[in-house]
Amino acid sequence: GNSVTQMEGPVTLSEEAFLTINCTYTATGYPSLFWYVQYPGEGLQLLLKATKADDKGSNKGFEATYRKETTSFHLEKGSVQVSDSAVYFCALSGMDSSYKLIFGSGTRLLVRP
Amino acid sequence: NAGVTQTPKFQVLKTGQSMTLQCAQDMNHEYMSWYRQDPGMGLRLIHYSVGAGITDQGEVPNGYNVSRSTTEDFPLRLLSAAPSQTSVYFCASRGAGRETQYFGPGTRLLVL
Repeated sequence: GNSVTQMEGPVTLSEEAFLTINCTYTATGYPSLFWYVQYPGEGLQLLLKATKADDKGSNKGFEATYRKETTSFHLEKGSVQVSDSAVYFCALSGMDSSYKLIFGSGTRLLVRP
Repeated sequence: NAGVTQTPKFQVLKTGQSMTLQCAQDMNHEYMSWYRQDPGMGLRLIHYSVGAGITDQGEVPNGYNVSRSTTEDFPLRLLSAAPSQTSVYFCASRGAGRETQYFGPGTRLLVL
């Protein structure tokens, strides 16, 4: 079945550091891939998405590229801010069940001033 | 346009009690779903609906019931609450195709 694996957290960085959160997936065909962010005490918000191989999703300085050959969708940001502290979830919706989102376990990011 | 709304925000139940978590969306989305969020496990799908009158089970449906009598509303019912149902519950909705899912703010449930 479809699944998503994320790197374990928490990830602790200093402000202006480079961020990478790894995400790999298992799915048949060409799923759509998403990164959601959850700020403390809030619900999930879509951060970015990619719907086909080699697409790059980007938003608020975050980027992720859909890599079919490595089944990956790693999240990157060149310079993190304290306000980026949150939990980040990688997710996919498969071709066989496009209504369902499969989530990774989430990665908590803490950015220190 | 309120998006996806959920009530209550927080609820404490005793084992064996029943309750209904409310979810509503004003975006005329066909698809609605319920997830639960537990530490270290991400979000897991409980039930979903692809339109009024149509519901189906997700990954963890036991102990929960749903119905979809209107496009706007998708309540989640706990029939007899158990401590294992202590969690944060999120409702989400999505339009046709493989578009973005929009999440509500969540309901935090504690079962004693």
